[in-house]
Amino acid sequence: AQSVTQLDSQVPVFEEAPVELRCNYSSSVSVYLFWYVQYPNQGLQLLLKYLSGSTLVKGINGFEAEFNKSQTSFHLRKPSVHISDTAEYFCAVTKIQGAQKLVFGQGTRLTINP
Amino acid sequence: NAGVTQTPKFQVLKTGQSMTLQCAQDMNHEYMSWYRQDPGMGLRLIHYSVGAGITDQGEVPNGYNVSRSTTEDFPLRLLSAAPSQTSVYFCASFRDGTGELFFGEGSRLTVL
Repeated sequence: AQSVTQLDSQVPVFEEAPVELRCNYSSSVSVYLFWYVQYPNQGLQLLLKYLSGSTLVKGINGFEAEFNKSQTSFHLRKPSVHISDTAEYFCAVTKIQGAQKLVFGQGTRLTINP
Repeated sequence: NAGVTQTPKFQVLKTGQSMTLQCAQDMNHEYMSWYRQDPGMGLRLIHYSVGAGITDQGEVPNGYNVSRSTTEDFPLRLLSAAPSQTSVYFCASFRDGTGELFFGEGSRLTVL
């Protein structure tokens, strides 16, 4: 079975500072990896995904993530955050066979302070 | 383009009552699923369906029932609500070949 651990439940940062949200996963088979974002009182939307190819993946709103197979990590980064990035971020993993059944991490609440 | 639509958005039940959360998608996706979101626990899969007439259990299926009579609709039934089912429920559909789930806006359920 797959599992995901998001290492920080809350991350406060100042506006225009860089941020990294950490995600480690566990799986005995090859996986797809995702980051989803949830703005207050909304559903989740896809931020970026790693299916194959380049290990550096770029997503929407200036976010990027790097797949590191040896460290089983998929950390999310942004070089300069904005107030509008305040949201909860979820890392998710699924095995390639049966890719529809995503397993989500516990979530990281990103708070941007002016 | 409506995407995934959930109703109701809010519901308060008393222990023992039953209800159905509705979910509809207009993207012709075969795969649909229900998750519940609880603080500090992320999203957990309740039930899923890989097509009309086919459903299966996820990680936390107890107390919930589903059916899939059409591609578009995937209702979630609570047979006898319990306070432990107080949560936010999300319906999602899956676009084949992309690995992407499309989520509804959620249904917040409180069981007293």
